[in-house]
Amino acid sequence: KQEVTQIPAALSVPEGENLVLNCSFTDSAIYNLQWFRQDPGKGLTSLLLIQSSQREQTSGRLNASLDKSSGRSTLYIAASQPGDSATYLCAVSSGGNNRLAFGKGNQVVVIP
Amino acid sequence: NAGVMQNPRHLVRRRGQEARLRCSPMKGHSHVYWYRQLPEEGLKFMVYLQKENIIDESGMPKERFSAEFPKEGPSILRIQQVVRGDSAAYFCASSPGQNEKLFFGSGTQLSVL
Repeated sequence: KQEVTQIPAALSVPEGENLVLNCSFTDSAIYNLQWFRQDPGKGLTSLLLIQSSQREQTSGRLNASLDKSSGRSTLYIAASQPGDSATYLCAVSSGGNNRLAFGKGNQVVVIP
Repeated sequence: NAGVMQNPRHLVRRRGQEARLRCSPMKGHSHVYWYRQLPEEGLKFMVYLQKENIIDESGMPKERFSAEFPKEGPSILRIQQVVRGDSAAYFCASSPGQNEKLFFGSGTQLSVL
């Protein structure tokens, strides 16, 4: 059974600092890994999807890396802004059918 | 292009009643997924459907829960004889293909009194 852990559970950073969010998973036989953003009372927004054959994906200020052998992924957000305040969820697909195993999230507050 | 639409946003039921949650996928998406988020827990997979077919229901409780995605109309998650432990946020997601990016709806918050 795939277990996904996200550390830290919550963090606050001043505006402009870079954010580093960590995700670890127990079974390295994954199909892909996705990072989502969840705002209070709203659904999830997909940020980045990394296929198992890839090492990283980038979109604007966001960069996600994947190290399958060690069971780790890192989401890096450059020059954080107050609008980046949200919960970030890491999810792993092991079976190739989008049956995702989610972590509990990193709750981020960016202080103006 | 409207996103994944879920309704109602909030649903209140008394113990023993039935709850019906609806999900309309994004236009052009034929793959639908239901996830549940219990308080203080991460999202848990429930079921994966394509038009008229249940592909993977390994995350569904064995009793009281059912899901369908008919040829016409939205996908329905049905919970019979609800209990307080069913209180949660239920999210629907859709994708154009089996292993492609998921697009989530805003969820239905079910409260059982």
